[in-house]
Amino acid sequence: KAGVTQTPRYLIKTRGQQVTLSCSPISGHRSVSWYQQTPGQGLQFLFEYFSETQRNKGNFPGRFSGRQFSNSRSEMNVSTLELGDSALYLCASSVLSIQETQYFGPGTRLLVL
Amino acid sequence: QQQVKQSPQSLIVQKGGISIINCAYENTAFDYFPWYQQFPGKGPALLIAIRPDVSEKKEGRFTISFNKSAKQFSLHIMDSQPGDSATYFCAAKVETSGSRLTFGEGTQLTVNP
Repeated sequence: KAGVTQTPRYLIKTRGQQVTLSCSPISGHRSVSWYQQTPGQGLQFLFEYFSETQRNKGNFPGRFSGRQFSNSRSEMNVSTLELGDSALYLCASSVLSIQETQYFGPGTRLLVL
Repeated sequence: QQQVKQSPQSLIVQKGGISIINCAYENTAFDYFPWYQQFPGKGPALLIAIRPDVSEKKEGRFTISFNKSAKQFSLHIMDSQPGDSATYFCAAKVETSGSRLTFGEGTQLTVNP
């Protein structure tokens, strides 16, 4: 079974631009969560989607948004990029939202200049 | 507010030695405690997890010890190998409230040959 895939793997943007990252969960998984990983703040939860509905949201500004499609694929969008948005963005999937092991993708490395 | 505190930040162990990483949590609603291993360029991968109804769980060379009254849990890696060199994260979540994981700060483990 293929793992979680994330595209693109690397991205360079400039301040003020917006970016869209994509995540394809493991086949059959309906829950997708997004995390931001930085050296200073570590791994921080962004949001979770289950059956196309946002279930949980972390403490991030409204510039960070996401959505999930009927095939469980998910996208996250960051508008008006700031230098501090440079990070590794990780997607994780699980079969259900609760009581299930999460499987992480390799991440998208975003650099904001 | 950091809800899961992890120590040490870095750890150097000789091959064959025991690696011990500790975590403490604040939120008594947490009821699922996984440990993740992350290699450079990869997403975190689940190593082992424990629920608070048991005090210890062992899987191969990896053991979690859990102390509910002290709100602490630790990862022990027996017979540490150079291939174990990676960053280890403890995490916690409330199982019934979705996939949201709260991570510790991470421990960079180096196992010298």
